Amino acid sequence: DTEVTQTPKHLVMGMTNKKSLKCEQHMGHRAMYWYKQKAKKPPELMFVYSYEKLSINESVPSRFSPECPNSSLLNLHLHALQPEDSALYLCASSPGWQEGYGYTFGSGTRLTVV
Amino acid sequence: AQTVTQSQPEMSVQEAETVTLSCTYDTSENNYYLFWYKQPPSRQMILVIRQEAYKQQNATENRFSVNFQKAAKSFSLKISDSQLGDTAMYFCAFMKSFGNNDMRFGAGTRLTVKP
Repeated sequence: DTEVTQTPKHLVMGMTNKKSLKCEQHMGHRAMYWYKQKAKKPPELMFVYSYEKLSINESVPSRFSPECPNSSLLNLHLHALQPEDSALYLCASSPGWQEGYGYTFGSGTRLTVV
Repeated sequence: AQTVTQSQPEMSVQEAETVTLSCTYDTSENNYYLFWYKQPPSRQMILVIRQEAYKQQNATENRFSVNFQKAAKSFSLKISDSQLGDTAMYFCAFMKSFGNNDMRFGAGTRLTVKP
């Protein structure tokens, strides 16, 4: 299995809702990432998990809450989002022990906040 | 902090022709990695090619090759024999060595291959 699987592919949520994005990989990778991508813009790093521990939080608002329950799974919990949070959310993984390997990306979750 | 600059927002090329996408970066690091990623309309980011800064030899992957000029901090991507399936957004990216494996992207170049 050489894929990163993200679910759901599309999500519409209200500003008072709570929802979660899910990311899964079975490549034995030990580093996982969340990126946010607005239309026609590059991906912006949000969080980095290394060996299930949060190693980078790019000053992301607390309405985004990451969780790494095990080495294969990464969640992003969403609560009280704003319309400007609408974007494509990309998950990625990399070996973690092999530097400079590059990431394997998922296809993303298209989030719309109404 | 590292910055990655792609100065060509959009480019087009005729099918079977060759095109070069530009990328420059700014860093005080001596050891790092550079990447080109492709993002077609299907949205998934796909690794095209990678280069280790300590290697002088330019990386190649089939029709894709890079011109890595470390002193000039330049990392351009050449696509030979362009195909319609090469139509996509192309991002140049930087990752420093001995870091947290965090990757930083340039603004991207939208490439259209015309039949």
